[in-house]
Amino acid sequence: DAGVTQSPTHLIKTRGQHVTLRCSPISGHKSVSWYQQVLGQGPQFIFQYYEKEERGRGNFPDRFSARQFPNYSSELNVNALLLGDSALYLCASSTIQSANYGYTFGSGTRLTVV
Amino acid sequence: SQKIEQNSEALNIQEGKTATLTCNYTNYSPAYLQWYRQDPGRGPVFLLLIRENEKEKRKERLKVTFDTTLKQSLFHITASQPADSATYLCAPWNSGNTPLVFGKGTRLSVIA
Repeated sequence: DAGVTQSPTHLIKTRGQHVTLRCSPISGHKSVSWYQQVLGQGPQFIFQYYEKEERGRGNFPDRFSARQFPNYSSELNVNALLLGDSALYLCASSTIQSANYGYTFGSGTRLTVV
Repeated sequence: SQKIEQNSEALNIQEGKTATLTCNYTNYSPAYLQWYRQDPGRGPVFLLLIRENEKEKRKERLKVTFDTTLKQSLFHITASQPADSATYLCAPWNSGNTPLVFGKGTRLSVIA
């Protein structure tokens, strides 16, 4: 069974541009969460979606948005990129019904803004 | 606001010894606490979850405790090996409908 897949793996963008990151959860997982991780810090929560509805939003500006599709895959969009948006963006999927298995993370998308 | 502190940014120990990592939280009453391992450039990997009514949980060489009075969790790796070298993250949590929020992590180095 495939794990959580994220695309692309690496991305270089210019300040002011827009970026879309994609995530496919584990089959059967209906919840997807997005995190931003800068070097030396723990993952910072951005969004959580469950059954296509936003269930939580972290302390990020409105330039960040996301959505979840009927097949439970998800996109994270960031507009008007800043140098400070350079980070590893992680997607995690989970099943709400069972707390025992934690969240399963993808390998992330490394975004560099120049 | 909710705050999660992990005892130190880096911990160096000798192979074979027990590593003990600390996670303290404030302004929060989690029903669960999760621990993850993260290797450089990779996503975190789930290790253990402990519930508020469980004092201790074990999995192979790993042991986690959860003290809701002290608002603290301890994570132990016994008979540590160089392959245990990684960053370990703690995440207090309430349920599937609440976000998982992480501490900064502790970078463990096990020296042969």
